[in-house]
Amino acid sequence: EVQLVESGGGLVQPGGSLRLSCAGSGFTFGDYPMHWVRQAPGKGLEWVSGISESGDITVYGDSVKGRFTISRDNAKNSLYLQMNSPRAEDTALYFCTKRSSSGWTPFDYWGQGTLVTVSS
Amino acid sequence: EIVLTQSPGTLSLSPGERATLSCRASQSVSSSYLAWYQQKPGQAPRLLIYGASNRATGIPDRFSGSGSGTDFTLTISRLEPEDFAVYYCQQYGNSPTFGGGTKVEIK
Repeated sequence: EVQLVESGGGLVQPGGSLRLSCAGSGFTFGDYPMHWVRQAPGKGLEWVSGISESGDITVYGDSVKGRFTISRDNAKNSLYLQMNSPRAEDTALYFCTKRSSSGWTPFDYWGQGTLVTVSS
Repeated sequence: EIVLTQSPGTLSLSPGERATLSCRASQSVSSSYLAWYQQKPGQAPRLLIYGASNRATGIPDRFSGSGSGTDFTLTISRLEPEDFAVYYCQQYGNSPTFGGGTKVEIK
């Protein structure tokens, strides 16, 4: 059974830093592109960032570019999101999700999310 | 960036009725890289439709997708009680984007 479990969320001050993690199991982690999607309280889904299977290609949404860094460790079946200089508008539930296969494919499995609150 | 606009924002229907949800893209979505997701309160999104018209594994056939280019539609032929939820369209190209969502609520 495919499982994605996020961790690392919590309260962070504006301008601080936070690292989110996502542990994958039940599939060959290194064979799939991985992404982060977030959802502000009561709002819709917003794509945040994605990373290729080997980690050599990363893409970011305009709202986080230059502040957040996505990475992965395939030996540990783990995905990460380093959040630097977070702002109040980054407050959201952050989901880890995988593409269904290589290339441009839909997001077939999602974690339950980890909540990040940016506030002083 | 491809902007996706979903309509209506809220759809009030009764169980057994047909639901028709629209998703319009600001530019053509390549090779129908268009998906639909269902999200219930407190849950992660669930993939329903990909490639504009292909049902994901385990999705009942009352869900169907259609469209191409810039105009796409999700149809639920007969609403079951468990179908009342929020639905999002997504283009899953290099920089994916989501629509704002349509809430299907019980009338």
